[in-house]
Amino acid sequence: ETGVTQSPTHLIKTRGQQVTLRCSSQSGHNTVSWYQQALGQGPQFIFQYYREEENGRGNFPPRFSGLQFPNYSSELNVNALELDDSALYLCASSWDRRPEAFFGQGTRLTVV
Amino acid sequence: QKEVEQNSGPLSVPEGAIASLNCTYSDRGSQSFFWYRQYSGKSPELIMSIYSNGDKEDGRFTAQLNKASQYVSLLIRDSQPSDSATYLCAPGRVDEKLTFGTGTRLTIIP
Repeated sequence: ETGVTQSPTHLIKTRGQQVTLRCSSQSGHNTVSWYQQALGQGPQFIFQYYREEENGRGNFPPRFSGLQFPNYSSELNVNALELDDSALYLCASSWDRRPEAFFGQGTRLTVV
Repeated sequence: QKEVEQNSGPLSVPEGAIASLNCTYSDRGSQSFFWYRQYSGKSPELIMSIYSNGDKEDGRFTAQLNKASQYVSLLIRDSQPSDSATYLCAPGRVDEKLTFGTGTRLTIIP
């Protein structure tokens, strides 16, 4: 059984650019949630995808978007990057929208 | 009032002692409660889940839940240096997101 994997692990972007982060869910899991974790804070919910449909969104602007593919892998896209977008981006997968979620290793995004 | 409150610490505990981590939450509809361990620079790792009032033990870890008081705790017995990490409390509901506290930073002193 494979765990949750994210790519890339680290990324440096310039303000105003766009970025795409990728996540492969754990085998058998059909729900993917994305979180943003700033330094010294707990993870903040961005959105969740269940069977390719968005199933809830946190308090993030529309420039944060995502999708889920038929194999339940997922992408997080962020447009018009701002310095405050610098954070650890976490993908978590679960089964049937259950809250018990397992995290990937995260993508550390730095916006300069 | 924050949705999930944890003492940010740092909490320093001697090796071999019991570490006690506390969490209060505001959503009375929360049905599931999770403790995650996060090492510096790493992602959160699920270490305990609890769904019913009372205690749940798993090895050196014991989770305690009191829904009436909206309180959940994590006890770590025989603390080891490898337990030094930030511990995140996360209540959740089916079909909804997890809500995380800011975490308690635990340091085990050899």
